[in-house]
Amino acid sequence: ETGVTQSPTHLIKTRGQQVTLRCSSQSGHNTVSWYQQALGQGPQFIFQYYREEENGRGNFPPRFSGLQFPNYSSELNVNALELDDSALYLCASSPTPRGGIGIQYFGAGTRLSVL
Amino acid sequence: KQEVTQIPAALSVPEGENLVLNCSFTDSAIYNLQWFRQDPGKGLTSLLLIQSSQREQTSGRLNASLDKSSGRSTLYIAASQPGDSATYLCAVRGSGNTPLVFGKGTRLSVIA
Repeated sequence: ETGVTQSPTHLIKTRGQQVTLRCSSQSGHNTVSWYQQALGQGPQFIFQYYREEENGRGNFPPRFSGLQFPNYSSELNVNALELDDSALYLCASSPTPRGGIGIQYFGAGTRLSVL
Repeated sequence: KQEVTQIPAALSVPEGENLVLNCSFTDSAIYNLQWFRQDPGKGLTSLLLIQSSQREQTSGRLNASLDKSSGRSTLYIAASQPGDSATYLCAVRGSGNTPLVFGKGTRLSVIA
């Protein structure tokens, strides 16, 4: 049990729609990162938030956006869904000691299917 | 740009065998390296984290080593069990606040 909860577990959308995925982290975990994992691939970094501000972004278009809230929850929003957006989306949270990000704790993920 | 490679992509062994999974990375300037386990359709479970100043970490039947200068890490699993069947992912962090860069994983099957 990692203490990171993601919802929903599965989601089916059609091309062009918008989707919001949610993550609830442990209290005190002020860094949250989102990853996309396509079938048979390793997770790819989407973006990272620290104290409600985005502080890192991977090679994903602007239609991928996020929010982090003071209550240690966060959201990943994807607009204008494409077929290639079908993947497992993982949220990871971590306390952030002075030396940098510690161990990241991953949620079970949301499986998104775009038809 | 950091790239992480895991070999082999898949491995099938009989129960009780000791085995080694390999991970290599192109940029040796890493902050830490982490090994994860992923069961089918599930999230990631952290197994071991090795800081850049460390050579190895152990947890139960698992031992991970790190040779930063050669850009390599190995995960050693002793006395494998069917419950060890999963995909094992290696990930490196370039500096304190940069994201993890993952390999594609090694899919392990332990046959009873």
